[in-house]
Amino acid sequence: NAGVTQTPKFQVLKTGQSMTLQCAQDMNHEYMSWYRQDPGMGLRLIHYSVGAGITDQGEVPNGYNVSRSTTEDFPLRLLLAAPSQTSVYFCASSPGTSQETQYFGPGTRLLVL
Amino acid sequence: AQSVTQLGSHVSVSEGALVLLRCNYSSSVPPYLFWYVQYPNQGLQLLLKYTTGATLVKGINGFEAEFKKSETSFHLTKPSAHMSDAAEYFCAVIPPGSSASKIIFGSGTRLSIRP
Repeated sequence: NAGVTQTPKFQVLKTGQSMTLQCAQDMNHEYMSWYRQDPGMGLRLIHYSVGAGITDQGEVPNGYNVSRSTTEDFPLRLLLAAPSQTSVYFCASSPGTSQETQYFGPGTRLLVL
Repeated sequence: AQSVTQLGSHVSVSEGALVLLRCNYSSSVPPYLFWYVQYPNQGLQLLLKYTTGATLVKGINGFEAEFKKSETSFHLTKPSAHMSDAAEYFCAVIPPGSSASKIIFGSGTRLSIRP
């Protein structure tokens, strides 16, 4: 199993550009989530999904959109990139319940100029 | 509201010395508790977790943590540090009965190992 994969590994954007961060998992996990990691702030939840067709907002959803058309894929879209969105983004998946381990992808480093 | 505090953003120990990383939570009801490790330029991976049962939990790479309800703590320890333990460590909590979307991460502790 490849686990959780993310692309790209690194991206530079200009303010106002848009892009999609890709996330895929091959473990048939129902729960998937996106986090951003900023220095000294741990990980903060952006959006999550409890299954195909179901998404919801996390702690810091503004400026991001998600969709979940399949169990495997959970892309994160930045519609109008801003410098405040410079961060490291992690996708994670888990079988579903709160006691379950979350499996993280390797991350995408995003720099918005 | 639930919160988790990691004391010390940076801890440095000598190789072979005891590792102690502190984590305290604020909740009247014990949450589910996790320790994750992040090696440089990688995602997080689970070290260990406590949900119910035995309060001393053993994880990977020789780490263990003890849930102490009276102290609202879940400190991570390892008897003898290795150079390969250098990483960032995150404590995380989920209120019992809540979904994974309610997970709260601490701000992290960077562990350095001196030769």
